[in-house]
Amino acid sequence: EDQVTQSPEALRLQEGESSSLNCSYTVSGLRGLFWYRQDPGKGPEFLFTLYSAGEEKEKERLKATLTKKESFLHITAPKPEDSATYLCAVLKGSNYKLTFGKGTLLTVNP
Amino acid sequence: DAMVIQNPRYQVTQFGKPVTLSCSQTLNHNVMYWYQQKSSQAPKLLFHYYDKDFNNEADTPDNFQSRRPNTSFCFLDIRSPGLGDAAMYLCATSRQNRVGEQYFGPGTRLTVT
Repeated sequence: EDQVTQSPEALRLQEGESSSLNCSYTVSGLRGLFWYRQDPGKGPEFLFTLYSAGEEKEKERLKATLTKKESFLHITAPKPEDSATYLCAVLKGSNYKLTFGKGTLLTVNP
Repeated sequence: DAMVIQNPRYQVTQFGKPVTLSCSQTLNHNVMYWYQQKSSQAPKLLFHYYDKDFNNEADTPDNFQSRRPNTSFCFLDIRSPGLGDAAMYLCATSRQNRVGEQYFGPGTRLTVT
């Protein structure tokens, strides 16, 4: 069975304290891995697409990387406005179904 | 700005009383999705439309139905809501060749009393 596991469930950082979020997956026929950000009471917002091991994507203070078994979302010098739940999701085969992890709730204190 | 709009944002219904949630989009995407998300859980796909082609997930209860009268609009009908159906319902859209890059609406928070 396909599984997406995110860790930690929650992470508290001080402003400027860099860290990484993990997304491990067991999926046969991975077609892509995606990162989303979700603010409280809102829908997820797309951040990154990763297609193959070794690939990296960057946007402002965020950098996403992919290996054959997991993905990391690195946050460099975070600010309070980076506080949100970060979700990863996988797509397999030829279907349209994204399988999401439960997310990591990131809180950045000023 | 192109966007995905959901109405209402908050919906309260009684146990067993049918309810309809709506979604509209100005992105002109041909794929539309409905997700259910409960507190601190992952969004769970209920069904999706590729144009007018409806695709139901195997574990979506029969209590949930959907309609897509045109490209821009999609509806979620819950025929007899139970207490376990209280959740955030998210509508999303994508292009058919970028399925992983989905654009989500703000969601409708459903309360069942």
